[in-house]
Amino acid sequence: GAGVSQTPSNKVTEKGKYVELRCDPISGHTALYWYRQSLGQGPEFLIYFQGTGAADDSGLPNDRFFAVRPEGSVSTLKIQRTERGDSAVYLCASSRLGQHLTGELFFGEGSRLTVL
Amino acid sequence: AQSVTQLDSQVPVFEEAPVELRCNYSSSVSVYLFWYVQYPNQGLQLLLKYLSGSTLVKGINGFEAEFNKSQTSFHLRKPSVHISDTAEYFCAVIGGYQKVTFGIGTKLQVIP
Repeated sequence: GAGVSQTPSNKVTEKGKYVELRCDPISGHTALYWYRQSLGQGPEFLIYFQGTGAADDSGLPNDRFFAVRPEGSVSTLKIQRTERGDSAVYLCASSRLGQHLTGELFFGEGSRLTVL
Repeated sequence: AQSVTQLDSQVPVFEEAPVELRCNYSSSVSVYLFWYVQYPNQGLQLLLKYLSGSTLVKGINGFEAEFNKSQTSFHLRKPSVHISDTAEYFCAVIGGYQKVTFGIGTKLQVIP
C-alpha cells in the first residue's frame, strides 16, 4: 500500500527484554516522527528525523530508548530492558519536506507493545 | 512551550444532533492548529487545519473549526452528526518547534 507501514502490529514481551519496532514511511517523505500513545492519553512526541539525522530527540524518555533511520527511509525504534511502563501504542508518522513545518502528518496504524 | 487542552474526554450525542468539541491552546508564538481523527482500529488522519487566513476552516466529512486568537481556542463543530462519526478526535498544535503537540483526545459517541 501507499501509506505508512508499521510492524509488528502487536508485540508482547517480558520485562527486561529488548524490542525493535519498524516504520516504513510513505515513499519520498523526508520527515519521520515517532510518538507514543498510552491508554487514555494523546500521542506523546518521542523523536523526529529529517532525512537520516535525528533533528529532535527531546521526547525520548531515557537512554533505554533509541531510534535510527540509516538510509533516510525505514526507521527502527529500539527499546532496551523493557519495563511494564513502556506498554503503549507506538505511532510512526511521515510527511514531505516542508509539509512537516505545517504539521500535516500521515500516520501508520501503530505498534501495540505489551510488557508483562 | 506549546500545549493544547481538550476539555471533554467523552461527548455523547444523538444522531443528527449538532456537536462541538472544545480545544484551547497555549503558545508563546504564532501557531498552526489541527484536528486529527482516529476511527476504531485505524491510524490518525488529518481532519482539518488552520495555517493562516480565514479563521473558519472546513474539513472532511462536514466538520469545521473556528480559530479564535483572543480566546486561544480552536473548537470543532458539526451541525448534524452521523453514526460513522463515532471516533476519537485530537486537537493538535505546532508552534516554534518542528513537532506537533497533541491533546489527550475527545471520544465522540454518536447514539442512534
